[in-house]
Amino acid sequence: GAGVSQSPSNKVTEKGKDVELRCDPISGHTALYWYRQSLGQGLEFLIYFQGNSAPDKSGLPSDRFSAERTGGSVSTLTIQRTQQEDSAVYLCASSPWTSNTGELFFGEGSRLTVL
Amino acid sequence: SQQGEEDPQALSIQEGENATMNCSYKTSINNLQWYRQNSGRGLVHLILIRSNEREKHSGRLRVTLDTSKKSSSLLITASRAADTASYFCATDGGTGNQFYFGTGTSLTVIP
Repeated sequence: GAGVSQSPSNKVTEKGKDVELRCDPISGHTALYWYRQSLGQGLEFLIYFQGNSAPDKSGLPSDRFSAERTGGSVSTLTIQRTQQEDSAVYLCASSPWTSNTGELFFGEGSRLTVL
Repeated sequence: SQQGEEDPQALSIQEGENATMNCSYKTSINNLQWYRQNSGRGLVHLILIRSNEREKHSGRLRVTLDTSKKSSSLLITASRAADTASYFCATDGGTGNQFYFGTGTSLTVIP
């Protein structure tokens, strides 16, 4: 597709359930980012993938959160045993990461509501 | 936290007026970017300024950078109702590839 695609756009789940959020980056973009945005707040960095390098997981808030990127393209963010405080919009972004450009292209986000 | 902070948190102006938003950050940077977010949507890149630049223009946007003060400003001239959105600054923390976003300024332009 032309842009970053995220699915589902909305997800309502019960506390304790696992959820998977998917991100399809722009074709050819080597860098992929996950951010979390709580209501009316800024973006909280979660995880960063760059090519075949080990991901930067320094932003994951707990071991209930994990992410993978298969084949250097599609990424899945998994939240296990969801809690109400996990409710937020999860934003994915990709970047071609050519030297000194750094522009991120964002998807529309996946809105997660944990009841 | 390496997040930046925007100031003010919210700004309301009349159409045609100029809007100025400020961003302060904590670490050294290679570049600083400004993004726009319409309600319920993803972020859209507006402009990037490198650490060795002091000012940059793009259409009605003017960005300044003062690395000694670790601050940047975004000026939107001749604002339009369509400029109503939240505006975020993002810094790379000196890594060139990791990006930290501020808390955003919510701009309302009244027709």
